[in-house]
Amino acid sequence: DGGITQSPKYLFRKEGQNVTLSCEQNLNHDAMYWYRQDPGQGLRLIYYSQIVNDFQKGDIAEGYSVSREKKESFPLTVTSAQKNPTAFYLCASSPNTGTLNTEAFFGQGTRLTVV
Amino acid sequence: AQKITQTQPGMFVQEKEAVTLDCTYDTSDPSYGLFWYKQPSSGEMIFLIYQGSYDQQNATEGRYSLNFQKARKSANLVISASQLGDSAMYFCAMREAENFNKFYFGSGTKLNVKP
Repeated sequence: DGGITQSPKYLFRKEGQNVTLSCEQNLNHDAMYWYRQDPGQGLRLIYYSQIVNDFQKGDIAEGYSVSREKKESFPLTVTSAQKNPTAFYLCASSPNTGTLNTEAFFGQGTRLTVV
Repeated sequence: AQKITQTQPGMFVQEKEAVTLDCTYDTSDPSYGLFWYKQPSSGEMIFLIYQGSYDQQNATEGRYSLNFQKARKSANLVISASQLGDSAMYFCAMREAENFNKFYFGSGTKLNVKP
């Protein structure tokens, strides 16, 4: 089955700790994305990557870091510099077809809670 | 300025009736695509329907149709014959040709279908 796998589904972090959210896709998509979802604010783009070893900051990149060493994997690290990390995190991917009508495919999400 | 605006935080509809979810967008790019996604309480994002800026006809997919009014920059989702399983969050999204790898999302509308 092709798809995007995010793990873990639920994650608890103590204040001051870094934590890494996993995102793996077997869709052979070039582009991958990380979004943060807070109640009433929709999805906000954290980072995105169009190809391996390259990524760009989105609208709310502060306190986050990513890597793209393999096409299939795009892990997100929430660092201690992120002041309010409790949120629902969604990973997505999309093929670089060059056509606008290609949608983004999403994982099941990771709910991060700071305790 | 917000790229995507969804002004209805919550909506109620009676089962078997039709409902319209509003979406307005802001872009100066003549080439763009508009998407609607459904997010059930489980959290995954399900792609529903797409409309391209140059499409002459409104998009339809089963019970979903898109009321595209280009001059007004609106792309409202119409769900006909609502079902209980339609209760979910609905997000409008856009991608522009000049920022091809960025998807912009609205804040969402929570739809509740009453039996």
